[in-house]
Amino acid sequence: NAGVMQNPRHLVRRRGQEARLRCSPMKGHSHVYWYRQLPEEGLKFMVYLQKENIIDESGMPKERFSAEFPKEGPSILRIQQVVRGDSAAYFCASSPPNQRGPRNEKLFFGSGTQLSVL
Amino acid sequence: AQKVTQAQTEISVVEKEDVTLDCVYETRDTTYYLFWYKQPPSGELVFLIRRNSFDEQNEISGRYSWNFQKSTSSFNFTITASQVVDSAVYFCALTSNRDDKIIFGKGTRLHILP
Repeated sequence: NAGVMQNPRHLVRRRGQEARLRCSPMKGHSHVYWYRQLPEEGLKFMVYLQKENIIDESGMPKERFSAEFPKEGPSILRIQQVVRGDSAAYFCASSPPNQRGPRNEKLFFGSGTQLSVL
Repeated sequence: AQKVTQAQTEISVVEKEDVTLDCVYETRDTTYYLFWYKQPPSGELVFLIRRNSFDEQNEISGRYSWNFQKSTSSFNFTITASQVVDSAVYFCALTSNRDDKIIFGKGTRLHILP
C-alpha cells in the first residue's frame, strides 16, 4: 500500500517558467491537500480538493497558482511565471472519503517537492 | 482564529538527556484536534500523534510522551533519553471540527548532540 507520492522530488525552474507539481494520493483516498513550507517556516495551507472539485482555496495566492484533482490521475499544483519567492517545499497530503479532513484520522503526507527558482 | 505557537525555535541537548518541546494553541472551537509531526533532515513529514479535545489523557509511546492540558491550552511533547536520531524539526498542529485545514506552528529544531 504505497503512501502519498509526490514528484518530482526536486524541481528547478528559471524565473518566468511554469512549475507543475504532481501528487498521487494513497490508494482509496479522494481528498487532497496542498501545503507550502517556506525556509525556516511551518507549513501553510494552500488548497483542499476532492475529485474534480476545489473545496477550499483560501490559502492559494490569487494569481499564478492553480490546482486540480481530476477524476483520473494525480492532483496537480501549477505555478505559472515562477518568481524567486515561490522557492519552497510543497507538500501534498491525502485522506480517505467519508472522513472529511484530518479530524478523524491522521493526514498522510508525501515527501514533498522542493522547488527552486533561479 | 486558530493559532499554534511553538516558542522554542531551536533546542540543543546532549544525547540521553530528556527534552520537552512546548506547544500552545488558540481556538474558539470546542471540538478540535492536535497533532505532532517530525520532519527529519530528509524532509518528509512523519506523523507522531493526534489528540482530540475530549481526550486529556497523557500518552506515552516508547521514549515519547505528550502532556495535553486544556486549562493552559498546551500540548507539550517530551522525549526521554534522547538519541541522535531524534534530531529533526518538530511541528505542532491544530485543526477543528469546523475546518478542513491543519494549522501548523513554526516548528522547533531539535539538535541532539553525541
